[in-house]
Amino acid sequence: SQQGEEDPQALSIQEGENATMNCSYKTSINNLQWYRQNSGRGLVHLILIRSNEREKHSGRLRVTLDTSKKSSSLLITASRAADTASYFCATDILPYKLSFGAGTTVTVRA
Amino acid sequence: DADVTQTPRNRITKTGKRIMLECSQTKGHDRMYWYRQDPGLGLRLIYYSFDVKDINKGEISDGYSVSRQAQAKFSLSLESAIPNQTALYFCATSDFRGYGYTFGSGTRLTVV
Repeated sequence: SQQGEEDPQALSIQEGENATMNCSYKTSINNLQWYRQNSGRGLVHLILIRSNEREKHSGRLRVTLDTSKKSSSLLITASRAADTASYFCATDILPYKLSFGAGTTVTVRA
Repeated sequence: DADVTQTPRNRITKTGKRIMLECSQTKGHDRMYWYRQDPGLGLRLIYYSFDVKDINKGEISDGYSVSRQAQAKFSLSLESAIPNQTALYFCATSDFRGYGYTFGSGTRLTVV
């Protein structure tokens, strides 16, 4: 079974709005990573947050991690049409081996 | 050239046929992975290799085999394809820490 689960499964927002998606996982982790996938293409690494970190920023992305709740969130600020994609969280269920959730599909409307 | 190259991009094959999906990488990483993606199920790990002599089964290895021909090459074979192996297959590579996998563009496989 998969370690991580994203919520919601799908999200539709207007251009310029913020998009927030969540990831819950089951077991202890060393790090949690977020990836983006554009329609049927390969996944692209967005950001990594270590278990001893609570928040991390990269451009318009903000990731939080709450290890006590075994959850993470990804916030995309000021969304653009190009942000339309599926977003996956991934956790290291064993050293150096990632388990991916089923993803959140984000649609940004012009 | 892409960091991770998968061939073919698309393939339609018949039930019972043997098929090989190929992957090569120019990142110089030792670690390589094969994942399968099905709608609503995310990515599931088929096989992974930490170096040329170290190959391990993932969560869904039944019906698949792999070959690590060199540090840069990792092939996935379906010995006798069946329709429920229809999926999008991804190869990925990472450094020894597993920080930020680099994925190929995928192979869309249809078994009829």
